[in-house]
Amino acid sequence: DVKVTQSSRYLVKRTGEKVFLECVQDMDHENMFWYRQDPGLGLRLIYFSYDVKMKEKGDIPEGYSVSREKKERFSLILESASTNQTSMYLCASSYGGVDQPQHFGDGTRLSIL
Amino acid sequence: GNSVTQMEGPVTLSEEAFLTINCTYTATGYPSLFWYVQYPGEGLQLLLKATKADDKGSNKGFEATYRKETTSFHLEKGSVQVSDSAVYFCALSVNTPLVFGKGTRLSVIA
Repeated sequence: DVKVTQSSRYLVKRTGEKVFLECVQDMDHENMFWYRQDPGLGLRLIYFSYDVKMKEKGDIPEGYSVSREKKERFSLILESASTNQTSMYLCASSYGGVDQPQHFGDGTRLSIL
Repeated sequence: GNSVTQMEGPVTLSEEAFLTINCTYTATGYPSLFWYVQYPGEGLQLLLKATKADDKGSNKGFEATYRKETTSFHLEKGSVQVSDSAVYFCALSVNTPLVFGKGTRLSVIA
C-alpha cells in the first residue's frame, strides 16, 4: 500500500514565523500535492509538483511556497505565518498524470497564534 | 471553469437506511469522476471512480453512475452502517489536478 506520511499531526506556531510542513511518500510517485481543508470550503489546492524541482501553483498559492528536492519529499513553506493560515493541511501523491487518483496523508492541523 | 457541487450536509441516517449524496459537475471537456471518503482524524481515501459516460464505480457497497446527460455522479448505498459515518467528497479531473466539492458529512446512528 502507498504510504504518504506527514511529519506532524498537530503544530502550533506564532505569527510571523517561517513554518515548514513536510510530506514523504514511499511509492515513487511522480506527482505530489498540497491542499488546505477548511470547514465549508472543502479542499483547495495550494501547489503541486509533477517532477523533482518542478512546481505549479494551485488555486490559492499566496503566502506559500514549496520545495521538491527529492522525488519522495514535498515541503510546504509558510514564509511568514499569519492567523488566516490556521487550517488542516493535506498532502497527496499520485502516479502517472496529475488527473489520476491521489493517495493522501493523515493531515497536519496547523494553528497560528 | 471546472467545478463540483455536492448536497450540503450534515446528513443523519439510521442504520440500514438508504443513502444518496448528490453530486453534479461543470467541466470543459470530458472529466473523470471520483468519490473520496474521509474518516475522522484521517486523510482522504479513494472510494470509487468512473472515467466515461454510463460507467458505474462501486466499492464497499457504495455505487455511483457517471451520467453525462445530467452531469451527475450521485453516490448511493443500499444499507448504511455506523462505520460509514464520515465526510464524502465528490471530485473531477479533466487532465488537471482533482477539483473537489465541499464535502458532505454523514452520520449514521444505531
